Amino acid sequence: DAGVIQSPRHEVTEMGQEVTLRCKPISGHNSLFWYRQTMMRGLELLIYFNNNVPIDDSGMPEDRFSAKMPNASFSTLKIQPSEPRDSAVYFCASSFFRPTGGNQPQHFGDGTRLSIL
Amino acid sequence: GENVEQHPSTLSVQEGDSAVIKCTYSDSASNYFPWYKQELGKRPQLIIDIRSNVGEKKDQRIAVTLNKTAKHFSLHITETQPEDSAVYFCAASDPQAGTALIFGKGTTLSVSS
Repeated sequence: DAGVIQSPRHEVTEMGQEVTLRCKPISGHNSLFWYRQTMMRGLELLIYFNNNVPIDDSGMPEDRFSAKMPNASFSTLKIQPSEPRDSAVYFCASSFFRPTGGNQPQHFGDGTRLSIL
Repeated sequence: GENVEQHPSTLSVQEGDSAVIKCTYSDSASNYFPWYKQELGKRPQLIIDIRSNVGEKKDQRIAVTLNKTAKHFSLHITETQPEDSAVYFCAASDPQAGTALIFGKGTTLSVSS
């Protein structure tokens, strides 16, 4: 099992630029989660999908943030335009959700360390 | 919505001592409680989880206890070793409602030899 795969691992860009983070969940998992981690705010849930459908995006900080999951094996988190306060580590996680059996454990990718100058 | 409080924020112990980290949650419907360990610069990794139909679960040197009435759960690490040094996160969710995990703020555990 390759685990959750995120790219890029590191991204440094200037403010105002568009940033796209990518995630490939574990094969067979049907729930995908995007988190942001900072020292000040800890691990924050941004958005999650069940069966490719966004379920809760209340954690998305602003309209500058958007996320898509066009199919079961790929998701993107986009920031446009980016700002220095968006600098953080962004994690993607996946799990298998059964309505009658509940969530199985979430498995995290290695994260993308984003720096906006 | 669910709110998870975690204490202490930092914990320092001597090698061989026990460490206990406590969490409380607010939503009585939550019934899944995982614990994650995150080493510096690495991803959070699941170390143990417990569901509401049991009160305690153990895996070698780590154990988790759950008190549903009081809405709190704890992580116990016995015979601590320097490699246990990391940030530990508790989380809670109501899987039947399809909700995601809500994490505590984390506890930085330092084990000195």
